[in-house]
Amino acid sequence: DAGVTQSPTHLIKTRGQQVTLRCSPKSGHDTVSWYQQALGQGPQFIFQYYEEEERQRGNFPDRFSGHQFPNYSSELNVNALLLGDSALYLCASSRATRNEQFFGPGTRLTVL
Amino acid sequence: GQNIDQPTEMTATEGAIVQINCTYQTSGFNGLFWYQQHAGEAPTFLSYNVLDGLEEKGRFSSFLSRSKGYSYLLLKELQMKDSASYLCAVDSGGSYIPTFGRGTSLIVHP
Repeated sequence: DAGVTQSPTHLIKTRGQQVTLRCSPKSGHDTVSWYQQALGQGPQFIFQYYEEEERQRGNFPDRFSGHQFPNYSSELNVNALLLGDSALYLCASSRATRNEQFFGPGTRLTVL
Repeated sequence: GQNIDQPTEMTATEGAIVQINCTYQTSGFNGLFWYQQHAGEAPTFLSYNVLDGLEEKGRFSSFLSRSKGYSYLLLKELQMKDSASYLCAVDSGGSYIPTFGRGTSLIVHP
């Protein structure tokens, strides 16, 4: 049983560009959450998707958007990249009524 | 607002016991998470406390006092592989979405 997978592993972009990150949840999970983790910090919640709808959102600008597909996989899109968007982006999946989230290995985004 | 405070770094000796404290002030509280994160890896779930008291899970135990806004993670019989960052996180919205602290980097030496 594969756990949470994310692609790509690493990504380098320049300011102003757009990026799409992808996540496949653990088998049996229907809820996907996205987090941003800067170096030396804890993960910060971006948003959560359930039944293809954004269920909750953290304190992130509209440049950050997402999508969930019928197979529960998800994408995170970031537009107009800033240097400060450089971070590890983590995807976590869970079952809607369970407290345990399983994290993927993350995508390391570097904005130059 | 949300404020979650834990020490930045701790060191301990292999075989010893270490306690990592976490204090929190949040608008709303439903439960408290502890996660372990090895360098360069994803966080892994350790515990989720809702009620006051100590919950034991093998070498790891987690304690919660809701009235004091305080929790700790207790690691016994430390092993070198326990060197990692330990993240305290609060579920303040009741939907199991954690708000993380900055994490405590634990270094275990021989």
